[in-house]
Parts: sequence; C-alpha cells; structure tokens
Amino acid sequence: EAGVAQSPRYKIIEKRQSVAFWCNPISGHATLYWYQQILGQGPKLLIQFQNNGVVDDSQLPKDRFSAERLKGVDSTLKIQPAKLEDSAVYLCASSSRDSSKPNYGYTFGSGTRLTVV
Amino acid sequence: QKEVEQNSGPLSVPEGAIASLNCTYSDRGSQSFFWYRQYSGKSPELIMFIYSNGDKEDGRFTAQLNKASQYVSLLIRDSQPSDSATYLCAVNYGQNFVFGPGTRLSVLP
Repeated sequence: EAGVAQSPRYKIIEKRQSVAFWCNPISGHATLYWYQQILGQGPKLLIQFQNNGVVDDSQLPKDRFSAERLKGVDSTLKIQPAKLEDSAVYLCASSSRDSSKPNYGYTFGSGTRLTVV
Repeated sequence: QKEVEQNSGPLSVPEGAIASLNCTYSDRGSQSFFWYRQYSGKSPELIMFIYSNGDKEDGRFTAQLNKASQYVSLLIRDSQPSDSATYLCAVNYGQNFVFGPGTRLSVLP
C-alpha cells in the first residue's frame, strides 16, 4: 500500500510569514495526526483527527497554528505568523486501527522540514 | 503532564554486542508501548509494540515490559552498524501517544 504522503519536503520562510503543509494519509485510514519534532527531541502531538473531526488539539498553539481535514482524507496544517521557534520537522501520521485496541501504531510520512529565519 | 523518559545517549556498542535501550513512563494507566527507530533525517518507523508484562521477541529485537516499575526496554542482539539510529519509546495515554526524547545508538564496526 502507498505510504503517508507529505509535501513540501523542505520549506524556508522568514519569521512572521505564513506556511502550509499538506498530508495525504494511507487510503482508508480514519485517524490522522500532526506532530512537531524539534531537533534532538521526540515528536510532540499537535492535533489528532478522526475522519474529519478533531479528537485532540490540546497542544496546538491556536493563536498561530490551524489544521483542517476536509472530507476526512487530506489534511493541511498552517502556521501564521511563523516564529523562529517553529523551526522543526512536521510529521503527519495515520492509523487505521481502533485506538481502543492495545496494539495500534502509526505510520509516519517523510515529514516537512521547516526553517524559520 | 504525561512523561516518557529516555537516556539521550549516545549509546555506543561494538558490532555484534547487545544494545540495551531503556524507557520509563509516568502514568500507571498506560497500556501500550511502542519502539520506533529513526534514522537521521528520516521519519520514525515502528519496530515493535508490547502490552503485556514480560518479554516479546521479534528477530534480533526483544522488548521487555515491567508495569509495576513503569519500565520498558528494547534489547538488540548482534548489533549491526545499520542499527545506528535514534530509538524512540512511545507510550499510549488514552487515544494518543507520548514520545520520549529518544536514545541515539551508535554501533561501531
């Protein structure tokens, strides 16, 4: 099966500019996640979608970050305006399994490396 | 605050040795535990999951879980230079996972 697709792979922007990332999950996967991974740290969950509804966005900086998943398939993550500390890799992941089961895990996309200068 | 802790390393082992990676977590209610491998510049890939106390073996990899001690480990037998990567421990909290900071493993030829 095709993997999780993300674009762009790299992006360099100036602070206060806006940027958007796109993710296409594995076909049929109902659950989609956006993670932020700062260099040297583990991934941190930003937002979780179940189909086109938000399940958890408690760690999403809502004053500057937004995300949507129209029609329960593709998703976009936007940052506006960007800050220097937003420099990180943004990972999209999807899962088809029932999250109430103990053995479900994610498949990650290749990520978008954002550099804010 | 749900926490997952790992020794950041680097952990260096000679080729052919056993590499032991450790992870502790804060919430006793956690039920599922995952190990991911992440090569530099790449995304994490799932190696193993475990949810019962004891050992689970898959090829050269063995995951060990001790819920009473809130401790999970990953053993890599016959370590190869290709195993050099960062290993991330992930623990479920409700429907989500919290990742540790990762341990960087270096296998020396």
